[in-house]
Amino acid sequence: EVQLVDSGGDLVQPGGSLRLSCAASGFTFNNYWMHWVRQAPGKGLVWVSRIHPDGTSTSYADSVKGRFTISRDNAKNTLYLQMNSLRAEDTAVYYCARDSSGLGYWGQGTLVTVSS
Amino acid sequence: HSALTQPRSVSGSPGQSVTISCTGTSSDVGGYNYVSWYQQHPGKAPKIMIYDVSGRPSGVPDRFSGSKSGNTASLTISALQPEDEADYYCCSYGGSYVVFGGGTKLTVL
Repeated sequence: EVQLVDSGGDLVQPGGSLRLSCAASGFTFNNYWMHWVRQAPGKGLVWVSRIHPDGTSTSYADSVKGRFTISRDNAKNTLYLQMNSLRAEDTAVYYCARDSSGLGYWGQGTLVTVSS
Repeated sequence: HSALTQPRSVSGSPGQSVTISCTGTSSDVGGYNYVSWYQQHPGKAPKIMIYDVSGRPSGVPDRFSGSKSGNTASLTISALQPEDEADYYCCSYGGSYVVFGGGTKLTVL
C-alpha cells in the first residue's frame, strides 16, 4: 500500500527556518517525481515545488523561490522541504504528493504556522 | 504564474449533472494534456478524480468525467450524490511549473 507521511510542521517566528519531511513507503520511491503543495487556512491548494526522481532537477513557485529548497534521499525514501526566511503568508498545511498520472497519492499534511 | 480560473461555487440537486470549468492559458491548460482534478472534503487531503484531462483512476465512479477545449478544461459530475459535496480543484502542468485553480465549492442541494 502506498503511504506518504508528512512531518516537521511547527510554530516558527517570522524569519525563521523549518524542514519538512515526507516518508514514503509501499512503492519504488526513486521512480517518481515528487511535489509539495500547500493550503493556507480556509484557502485553496497552491503548488510549491517538485523534484525529479534522481533529485537532479527541481522547480519552484515564484512565491518561494530562493527561500525554499526541495530535496530527497532515495536511500531513505524521504522527501524534504527546507524552508528559510519564513513569512506569515507561508502559514499553511503542507502536503507531499506523488506524481503518477496526476498527483495520485498525498500525505496527510503537516501544519506550519509562522507567527511571533 | 496566475492561478487557473474556476467558478467559486456550483450547485445541483441529487441526480442532476453539474460542470465545473477551469480556464488557463496556452502555456498551461491549452499547451499540455496534463490537466487533473481533485476532490477535497473538509479536513481531508485532496483525492485525485481525473488525470491527463479525461483519465479516471481506479475506484473513481464513472459519473466523473473530464474534457478540454482550447485553454479551458471541464469536470462534469453526473447523477449527483450527497457525498459529492466538496471542494474541487483543477491543476495543470505548465512546463517548468504546476498551477492549481482557485477551487470550486460544490453544494448538493
